[in-house]
Amino acid sequence: DAGVIQSPRHEVTEMGQEVTLRCKPISGHDYLFWYRQTMMRGLELLIYFNNNVPIDDSGMPEDRFSAKMPNASFSTLKIQPSEPRDSAVYFCASSPPGLASVNEQFFGPGTRLTVL
Amino acid sequence: GNSVTQMEGPVTLSEEAFLTINCTYTATGYPSLFWYVQYPGEGLQLLLKATKADDKGSNKGFEATYRKETTSFHLEKGSVQVSDSAVYFCALSNGANSKLTFGKGITLSVRP
Repeated sequence: DAGVIQSPRHEVTEMGQEVTLRCKPISGHDYLFWYRQTMMRGLELLIYFNNNVPIDDSGMPEDRFSAKMPNASFSTLKIQPSEPRDSAVYFCASSPPGLASVNEQFFGPGTRLTVL
Repeated sequence: GNSVTQMEGPVTLSEEAFLTINCTYTATGYPSLFWYVQYPGEGLQLLLKATKADDKGSNKGFEATYRKETTSFHLEKGSVQVSDSAVYFCALSNGANSKLTFGKGITLSVRP
């Protein structure tokens, strides 16, 4: 299995531009998570989906952030407009069905976003 | 609510030294506990887990025991290697979903 795939791996953009991060979860997994990692805040859960439906978006920082999962094999996290404080590494993770509380989350390699 | 507290870092050890990284948690009910590791430039990966009290998780020479009486899940390794240099996260999962609550993480550096 290829694991969780994220693209791009690195993104440099200017303040005010729209940024779209992409994620392909592991086939057969029905949970998908978006995290943000910074030195100051550590690892933060932004939003997660179950069977393509958003379950908890309480971690989304503000209306500039939006996430979609149009099908079981693809999700996007969009920032519009981007700001320098959005600079971080964004991780996507997926988890298989079953006894959810004991399931392992499989992380992608992350997208390093720099907003100038 | 759920929370995970990890000892402050960073930690620097010499090769073959003994490692202990402390982790305590707050949660209702009976959470599952995890240690994740993040190597430089990579995403997190599961190191070990324990799903009930007194369970011991182990992998790659690392061990952690689920202690409900002290609400702890400390990570130990008897002899660290340079290749163990990474960031280590303690986490818990509680309830009917896969949502994880992570600690802040601690950076381990092992020098030859």
